[in-house]
Formats: sequence, C-alpha cells, structure tokens
Amino acid sequence: AQSVAQPEDQVNVAEGNPLTVKCTYSVSGNPYLFWYVQYPNRGLQFLLKYITGDNLVKGSYGFEAEFNKSQTSFHLKKPSALVSDSALYFCAVREPGNQFYFGTGTSLTVIP
Amino acid sequence: NAGVTQTPKFRILKIGQSMTLQCTQDMNHNYMYWYRQDPGMGLKLIYYSVGAGITDKGEVPNGYNVSRSTTEDFPLRLELAAPSQTSVYFCASSGLRGGDYGYTFGSGTRLTVV
Repeated sequence: AQSVAQPEDQVNVAEGNPLTVKCTYSVSGNPYLFWYVQYPNRGLQFLLKYITGDNLVKGSYGFEAEFNKSQTSFHLKKPSALVSDSALYFCAVREPGNQFYFGTGTSLTVIP
Repeated sequence: NAGVTQTPKFRILKIGQSMTLQCTQDMNHNYMYWYRQDPGMGLKLIYYSVGAGITDKGEVPNGYNVSRSTTEDFPLRLELAAPSQTSVYFCASSGLRGGDYGYTFGSGTRLTVV
C-alpha cells in the first residue's frame, strides 16, 4: 500500500533563514513524488516533481526538493524563506499508473 | 485559459438537501478528480474519471455521485446532505493518467451542512 507522511503539522521559520518541510513515503515500486502549495482560500498549486533522474529537483518560487531513496524521503527546501512563502504544503506520491496519495499537509509560517 | 473552474465557491446546505458541485476544465484533459479536504486529514479522493462516460470510486465515495457526459465537465452530486459532508471540495484534472506532470486544481467549494 502506498502512503505518504508529513510528520510536522506546523513549521515556523524566520524570514531569510533556510526552511525544510519534511515528507516520507512508502510505495512498493518506484515512486513519483510531488509537492503542492496551497494559499488561503485557493486550490493546490504544483511546485515540483520527481519522476526520475537527478535526485535534486528544482521547482517554482525558488523551492527545491531532494529525493533520498535509502531514507524514502522527499523533503522540500528553500535557502532563504520569504514571508510570502507562508502557506500550506502538501507532499504527494504515487506509483506509475495509480492514483495520488496526499500527505496531511504542513503549515509553514515565515516570521518577519 | 481558465484551467479548472468550480462553482459555487461557498454553500450552506440543510441536512437532507441535495446539490451539485460544478467542475469544468478547458484544457482537454481526459482525467478528472474530486477530492475533499478536511482539517488535518489531507485530501481524500472521492471519485475520478478517465474520460467521458467513465467514472470510478475513490477512497471516500459514500454519499456522492458523479457523471462525465463531456470531456470538460465533471459534476459532483450530493443527494442527502449530512453534517459529515461539511468540507472543502476540490476538483482537479490531468492530461495523463495519474497526473505525471501534476494536477491542475480548481479553487475549491466550501460546503457547510447544518
């Protein structure tokens, strides 16, 4: 069975500091991994994905994520946080040909 | 290019009433999905469709029905609203099976059943 876990409900970081939002997954095959961001009263927006290739994936708004197969993780990172990065972040995983499974979300607050 | 459009944005229903949540996409995507989002629970798949005339159940289909008569439209029907259906509903579409290049989401419908 597939699953995805976001162990932190809330992450707080000071503006200008690096941020990390954690995600671990469990799939039986090779995973497709995604990060989405949700701003208040909006739908989810695609940030980045890992399908194959380089383990470090760069996405929108300066975000990146590193696929770590041995730790089954796909943490979202950004070198310098902005107040405008404050939002709800969802990790998602699926096996090729199957449906998505979303994590429960992590609320990121960047403190000015 | 509007993407995925959902209507209404907000709705309050009384227990036992029915309603249809509308979803339209203009990207000619074959795959469409309905999710509900509850606090602390992430997104749960209600129903999905792989093309016009084809629908299938997701994780939490009870209390809902869907139809897909055209590529563009994928309405979600609640026949007898219950308080447990209070949630935010998102429609999404993708051009490839399972969204290899990600889903496009609508802006959501916030439904309250009282």
